[in-house]
Amino acid sequence: QQQVKQSPQSLIVQKGGISIINCAYENTAFDYFPWYQQFPGKGPALLIAIRPDVSEKKEGRFTISFNKSAKQFSLHIMDSQPGDSATYFCAADRSTGFQKLVFGTGTRLLVSP
Amino acid sequence: GAVVSQHPSRVICKSGTSVKIECRSLDFQATTMFWYRQFPKQSLMLMATSNEGSKATYEQGVEKDKFLINHASLTLSTLTVTSAHPEDSSFYICSARQKGGRTNTEAFFGQGTRLTVV
Repeated sequence: QQQVKQSPQSLIVQKGGISIINCAYENTAFDYFPWYQQFPGKGPALLIAIRPDVSEKKEGRFTISFNKSAKQFSLHIMDSQPGDSATYFCAADRSTGFQKLVFGTGTRLLVSP
Repeated sequence: GAVVSQHPSRVICKSGTSVKIECRSLDFQATTMFWYRQFPKQSLMLMATSNEGSKATYEQGVEKDKFLINHASLTLSTLTVTSAHPEDSSFYICSARQKGGRTNTEAFFGQGTRLTVV
């Protein structure tokens, strides 16, 4: 119940295309869903996050779509650029009480020039 | 966003020696710090959670005598890998959460430490 399933494991997208990464969770107590971007040899950095009271959040080229009933959320990267090539992790968290971030397995994105 | 500084970024040590990794929250007070280990092409594996002034809570399978964690202040946590062996070679990452209120706040990550044991 604590798992967050992430797919695909790897993704190749042409420059200018749309990258889509999907995640699914089981525990309905989760109420905060961040996405992290990690470059090789670096720690993860928060990219964008969403709470279940909205179905979509957009920040620049990055959009999270959230489906509460299906317990799924996804990251869309519009106009993908070579600089977006990185590993992306979704995560699930709780706003209250002591809880650890639960990470997805990660998606390695390669944006070809 | 808030800054978490992790030091060193890379360290090479001889087998049998101990290595200390520092994690500092530079512009906020971190009630809770987390230590992760990441193997190549894999997700982050939580090793332990440390709360300021109390003993760390280790995840199942993590040897607390081998991975010593100290969270002496609201801005500093350390991970000491004792009697390191080549199998301890990995990428270690810390994370810190801000103190305050009833709700959990954003988790910020350090830049990671690449440990190589030779």
